[in-house]
Amino acid sequence: AQSVSQHNHHVILSEAASLELGCNYSYGGTVNLFWYVQYPGQHLQLLLKYFSGDPLVKGIKGFEAEFIKSKFSFNLRKPSVQWSDTAEYFCAAWAGSARQLTFGSGTQLTVLP
Amino acid sequence: NAGVTQTPKFRVLKTGQSMTLLCAQDMNHEYMYWYRQDPGMGLRLIHYSVGEGTTAKGEVPDGYNVSRLKKQNFLLGLESAAPSQTSVYFCASSRQGYEQYFGPGTRLTVT
Repeated sequence: AQSVSQHNHHVILSEAASLELGCNYSYGGTVNLFWYVQYPGQHLQLLLKYFSGDPLVKGIKGFEAEFIKSKFSFNLRKPSVQWSDTAEYFCAAWAGSARQLTFGSGTQLTVLP
Repeated sequence: NAGVTQTPKFRVLKTGQSMTLLCAQDMNHEYMYWYRQDPGMGLRLIHYSVGEGTTAKGEVPDGYNVSRLKKQNFLLGLESAAPSQTSVYFCASSRQGYEQYFGPGTRLTVT
């Protein structure tokens, strides 16, 4: 069975700081990877996705993620965070045969103004 | 185009009571999912459906039942609510399964 790990449970940054949130997955076959974001009081929204090709993918609001196959990682990055980025971020993996997304436990990001 | 809607938004139940949560989508998606979200545990899949008339168990199906009689609706039932089912419940739909669109959630408290 596949699993997704997010080791940072809560990250606190000041505005303009750089962000990197870790995500590791365990699955031996082809996997598609996603980052979802949940702003306070709202539902989850897709931030970015990786299927194949360029391992550096860009999403909305200046976020990007890098897929490193050898490390089974898909870390989320943003060069300069804003207060409005305060949210919970979830990494997710899709292995087609299961027809399910497996989510990590989430990372709460708090950006201080 | 409302996307994914969930009814109700909030509910308080007493232990042993039953209820049904309704999820509706207007995007003609084949796949629909029910998750529960608990602090520090992310989203855990309860049940899902890959098409009208089909359902399958997810990671935490015990105590829940589902039905997908119409393509646009996915119902989640609690037959005998327990305090452990206090959670926020999210429904999601998807055309192909992986790019999922989420509803606004239902906050359920079981006392």
